[in-house]
Amino acid sequence: LVLTQSPGTLSLSPGESATLSCRASQSVSSNFLAWYQQKPGQAPRLLIYGASSRATGIPDRFSGSGSGTDFTLTISRLEPEDFAVYYCQRYGYSLPYSFGQGTKLDIK
Amino acid sequence: EILLEESGGALVQPGGSLRLSCAASGFTFGDYGMNWVRQAPGEGVAWVSHIGGGGVDTYYADSVRGRFTISRDNSKNTLYLLMTSLRPEDTALYYCVKDYVPRNGVFDAFDVWGQGTMVTVSS
Repeated sequence: LVLTQSPGTLSLSPGESATLSCRASQSVSSNFLAWYQQKPGQAPRLLIYGASSRATGIPDRFSGSGSGTDFTLTISRLEPEDFAVYYCQRYGYSLPYSFGQGTKLDIK
Repeated sequence: EILLEESGGALVQPGGSLRLSCAASGFTFGDYGMNWVRQAPGEGVAWVSHIGGGGVDTYYADSVRGRFTISRDNSKNTLYLLMTSLRPEDTALYYCVKDYVPRNGVFDAFDVWGQGTMVTVSS
């Protein structure tokens, strides 16, 4: 299963909203789709699991949606600390785990 | 607080071997599946290997199967990755990563990551 993220880079200003896409080459069972944020020099951090559930401590301006093969991460009211690279991941009943190639969210 | 601390990364020649360790604390280690995930310089993340909580069930990415061995010592709260026949394309930051919840039959999302240990394969 291949995950394709778009766009590769997204340039926005603080206060705007960001929409990041993750498309799977085949249906993701039980919506086992996660989103991670990675800042420079840091490990990735789990944001969303089960396509739409926020992990512990994640602000509600982060939201996930989608099912089947098309998933979206929306970040509303961008804060300066939100500018980072975002990865989607398929997990679930079988291996291997798949990661998308990442979307870089840049400050415009 | 849940912590994962990797060690053992180094510069090694092609064909060489290395053992990575990951010391875990702050949770019941043996209840959770654990993973190694790597990230080559300037690249995205890639899953390497998974081990079940009991240490019996192990799984590998095609790129490392037959060369890498994952193991754990639940009495020491420690995860290992033995890497042999290393190649330049194995050069990466290796993260120790914890499964989100302990569920039978599900390879879960990753909720806690260590800071990584760097492996460089070069002559």
